[in-house]
Amino acid sequence: DGGITQSPKYLFRKEGQNVTLSCEQNLNHDAMYWYRQDPGQGLRLIYYSQIVNDFQKGDIAEGYSVSREKKESFPLTVTSAQKNPTAFYLCASSIGLRDNQPQHFGDGTRLSIL
Amino acid sequence: QKEVEQNSGPLSVPEGAIASLNCTYSDRVSQSFFWYRQYSGKSPELIMSIYSNGDKEDGRFTAQLNKASQYVSLLIRDSQPSDSATYLCAAYSGAGSYQLTFGKGTKLSVIP
Repeated sequence: DGGITQSPKYLFRKEGQNVTLSCEQNLNHDAMYWYRQDPGQGLRLIYYSQIVNDFQKGDIAEGYSVSREKKESFPLTVTSAQKNPTAFYLCASSIGLRDNQPQHFGDGTRLSIL
Repeated sequence: QKEVEQNSGPLSVPEGAIASLNCTYSDRVSQSFFWYRQYSGKSPELIMSIYSNGDKEDGRFTAQLNKASQYVSLLIRDSQPSDSATYLCAAYSGAGSYQLTFGKGTKLSVIP
């Protein structure tokens, strides 16, 4: 079955620690995205990527980093510079980076501070 | 700042009734609109896309778009308790924008 796999489902971060969230898709989609969702809030875009080795900052990129070494994979690192990392992190993909393509989401990773 | 506005609810409807969810957007050049359903603790699931003025029907769901009024709505006919979820409206701006802007969602409760 084609889909987007995020892991882990739950993650805990200690003070000063960097953590990496995994996102893999087998939909052959070119574009991938990372969003953050806080309770009662809409989704906010962190980073997006159209092709391998290229990515762009979204609205709230500070304290986060990404890489796109393979078409299928778009991991997100939450660095120690992100002072309020507790949130629900969602990875999405679309066929291409065009303004009419729906985005499809993985199951998400919940990150909390220890 | 491009915005997508939704009434946060909760919107309560009895089982079998029509649920009407509304969304307005600020960017006049927006061209593509999406409705997602998000169950509590889960990720958003795409249920409808709409690109042209008018109605688009898919099963019990009807999306309506009025670009002149910058208004999108989602009607759910014969509402079921399983429809209880938060519904997110999302829009791309026009002219090659690659950022999908989401509303904060409307929480729907269908009462048996």
